Amino acid sequence: SQQGEEDPQALSIQEGENATMNCSYKTSINNLQWYRQNSGRGLVHLILIRSNEREKHSGRLRVTLDTSKKSSSLLITASRAADTASYFCATVPSGGNNRLAFGKGNQVVVIP
Amino acid sequence: KAGVTQTPRYLIKTRGQQVTLSCSPISGHRSVSWYQQTPGQGLQFLFEYFSETQRNKGNFPGRFSGRQFSNSRSEMNVSTLELGDSALYLCASSLEVGGRIMNTEAFFGQGTRLTVV
Repeated sequence: SQQGEEDPQALSIQEGENATMNCSYKTSINNLQWYRQNSGRGLVHLILIRSNEREKHSGRLRVTLDTSKKSSSLLITASRAADTASYFCATVPSGGNNRLAFGKGNQVVVIP
Repeated sequence: KAGVTQTPRYLIKTRGQQVTLSCSPISGHRSVSWYQQTPGQGLQFLFEYFSETQRNKGNFPGRFSGRQFSNSRSEMNVSTLELGDSALYLCASSLEVGGRIMNTEAFFGQGTRLTVV
């Protein structure tokens, strides 16, 4: 079963605004990762946060992780038209099982 | 450094046929995983290979199989194709750091879009 599950949102925002997406999961994890996918193409890794981390930044991206609530959020600040894509969270379970469990993704449209 | 290469990019097959997809990982990456993406089921893990051995397997029927070669290139095969096998098949490679847990990013290829008619 899918461990990562985003809130099933389709976000439509204006360029320059911030976009926030949430993700929840069910079991213990080693780390949680966020990926972006443009138009049914390959996925691009955005950021990885380990289970012992609470917040991480990378450029305009900010990720938080709350292991007590089994949830994560991805914030994209000052969005650009090029940020239009689907965003997926994926968990790597603890216990040595080397696989990504993806959520269903959030479609984000940034209007120029 | 070249990225993950998947061939072919597009494929149309008839029900009952079989298909082989190929994936060349990034040089030095020994872990190769396969995922199926469909609008209904989303991204689902198929299997992972490491050093020519299948290390993890998802919940797919035995019609789905794979292998990895000594140069880390991987192939997946789907036999007796069904309409529901139409999907984007994605391959990902990763560099293992510190053992079995994937503590680093996975690099994905552009995928092979399989259409079964």
